[in-house]
Amino acid sequence: SQQGEEDPQALSIQEGENATMNCSYKTSINNLQWYRQNSGRGLVHLILIRSNEREKHSGRLRVTLDTSKKSSSLLITASRAADTASYFCATDMVWRRDDKIIFGKGTRLHILP
Amino acid sequence: NAGVTQTPKFQVLKTGQSMTLQCAQDMNHEYMSWYRQDPGMGLRLIHYSVGAGITDQGEVPNGYNVSRSTTEDFPLRLLSAAPSQTSVYFCASSYSKADLGQLSNEQFFGPGTRLTVL
Repeated sequence: SQQGEEDPQALSIQEGENATMNCSYKTSINNLQWYRQNSGRGLVHLILIRSNEREKHSGRLRVTLDTSKKSSSLLITASRAADTASYFCATDMVWRRDDKIIFGKGTRLHILP
Repeated sequence: NAGVTQTPKFQVLKTGQSMTLQCAQDMNHEYMSWYRQDPGMGLRLIHYSVGAGITDQGEVPNGYNVSRSTTEDFPLRLLSAAPSQTSVYFCASSYSKADLGQLSNEQFFGPGTRLTVL
């Protein structure tokens, strides 16, 4: 079964608006990562947040992590057409000694002109 | 650096045929993995390897074999292709926790192989 679940499954917003997508997971983690996938391409790493961090920024991206609720959110501010893509969270479970990470099903983001 | 490369980009097989999807990385990463991506299912882990000579099963290993004879290469073998294996396959690599002191790390993905089994 998949560890992370993104919400919503799909999101359409106007260019310039902010986009927020969420990820919930089931078991305690070492860290959580967000990836972007443009249509027909491989995944690209966006940001990693560790379990002892609560918020992290990278350019127009803001990620929060609430370990008590086992959830994370990705905020993209001032969206652009180029942000149209699928976004995935990936988690590394704390009880595992190996490097296995598990991806969620993703949120499809569409930026309207 | 070429990063993670995958061949072929596209492949069509008939049911029962076998083939190998190739994956190579030139970043000296210890950890490599194979995922399949199906519509509405996200990425599901097939097999992974934490170093040369070591492989392990992921979420959906049935029908696939892997080997890791070198750090650079991690081929995925379909033994007897079935229509249910029609999918897009991604290979990924990263530094290992052992290298980073138990801090996990960014996965680097290849461009994918689109496989159709008739």
